[in-house]
Amino acid sequence: SQELEQSPQSLIVQEGKNLTINCTSSKTLYGLYWYKQKYGEGLIFLMMLQKGGEEKSHEKITAKLDEKKQQSSLHITASQPSHAGIYLCGADIWASQGNLIFGKGTKLSVKP
Amino acid sequence: ETGVTQTPRHLVMGMTNKKSLKCEQHLGHNAMYWYKQSAKKPLELMFVYNFKEQTENNSVPSRFSPECPNSSHLFLHLHTLQPEDSALYLCASSQRLTYEQYFGPGTRLTVT
Repeated sequence: SQELEQSPQSLIVQEGKNLTINCTSSKTLYGLYWYKQKYGEGLIFLMMLQKGGEEKSHEKITAKLDEKKQQSSLHITASQPSHAGIYLCGADIWASQGNLIFGKGTKLSVKP
Repeated sequence: ETGVTQTPRHLVMGMTNKKSLKCEQHLGHNAMYWYKQSAKKPLELMFVYNFKEQTENNSVPSRFSPECPNSSHLFLHLHTLQPEDSALYLCASSQRLTYEQYFGPGTRLTVT
């Protein structure tokens, strides 16, 4: 089974709508990273969360970490076509060895 | 632009060829990484270098040979690859192993 599960696998939303992507780990989280990827390109770093209950925001994107549930959520408010892409969560489950595992990604499409 | 460049962007090679992928980071980081991204599979960490020393080899076949001559450059030497090695190969760097990783645009490799 997958150590890092993302849901949903894909999402189609109307422009202006809010959405949430979840990332759940089967192991203890020492750090959680959110990235965005355009198809076939490199990953763009969005946010890093390290402490339980931590919440970070950048423009219209907010990420939270629930350490007890070993889960993180990424919330986009008032989605725009520029938000479309593949969102990946990465996790440090070996306590700072640089060895991250990644989820399979959530493909987001935003309809104008 | 993330400050991490990769060349070539696309590569087609036969199974008997030898080729190399190059990665360069202009961020003054001390750790560098190679990842493999195959269709419908999570991003897989291959190698980690910290201050030019290899700290992680994720059970990668010996037909992939990394080289890190200094903290700014990372190579992946390829020889006698298999068709299943076709994938997007991504390089990343971070200030330290515990910090967020910045990714290059990737090299799309096709093995014929």
